Amino acid sequence: ETGVTQSPTHLIKTRGQQVTLRCSSQSGHNTVSWYQQALGQGPQFIFQYYREEENGRGNFPPRFSGLQFPNYSSELNVNALELDDSALYLCASSLGGESNQPQHFGDGTRLSIL
Amino acid sequence: GEDVEQSLFLSVREGDSSVINCTYTDSSSTYLYWYKQEPGAGLQLLTYIFSNIDMKQDQRLTVLLNKKDKHLSLRIADTQTGDSAIYFCAESMPGTYKYIFGTGTRLKVLA
Repeated sequence: ETGVTQSPTHLIKTRGQQVTLRCSSQSGHNTVSWYQQALGQGPQFIFQYYREEENGRGNFPPRFSGLQFPNYSSELNVNALELDDSALYLCASSLGGESNQPQHFGDGTRLSIL
Repeated sequence: GEDVEQSLFLSVREGDSSVINCTYTDSSSTYLYWYKQEPGAGLQLLTYIFSNIDMKQDQRLTVLLNKKDKHLSLRIADTQTGDSAIYFCAESMPGTYKYIFGTGTRLKVLA
């Protein structure tokens, strides 16, 4: 069973740039959730995709957007990067769109904004 | 409201039991989870419990839930140095798809 994989592992960008982070879900999972984890904090929910549609969104501005593909992999796009976007971005996959299915996390992408 | 609270640090001696505590505010939560995060890694699912169950045991891990007090605990028996990590409590919100995480408890196991 292949786990959740994310790429790249690390990324450095400057303010105003745009970034795309990628996630492959665990085999058999059709739902992907994205979280932002600032240093010393717990993960904060950004949004979830289920069957290629956004299925719930946290308190993040529209410059955070995403996609899910037919193979259930997903992308997180962030436009107009700000210094406060520096964080670990975690992808989690699960089976089904219900919140009671355990989410399994990847190792994250560490994004640094200069 | 949505809020999950945990104490920041816990230090125990190898071989002792560790108890990590969590309080949450939303009584309508359906499932509660414990995750482990090691340095430079993502979150590893340890165990989870449905909110109408008081206790769940899985090898060295015991989860206790007091729904009246909205209190969740994770007990690790015979704690090992490999258990040193940050432990996150999370609740899932009914009708939504997000997990609400606490700020994490850093467990340090002393040899």
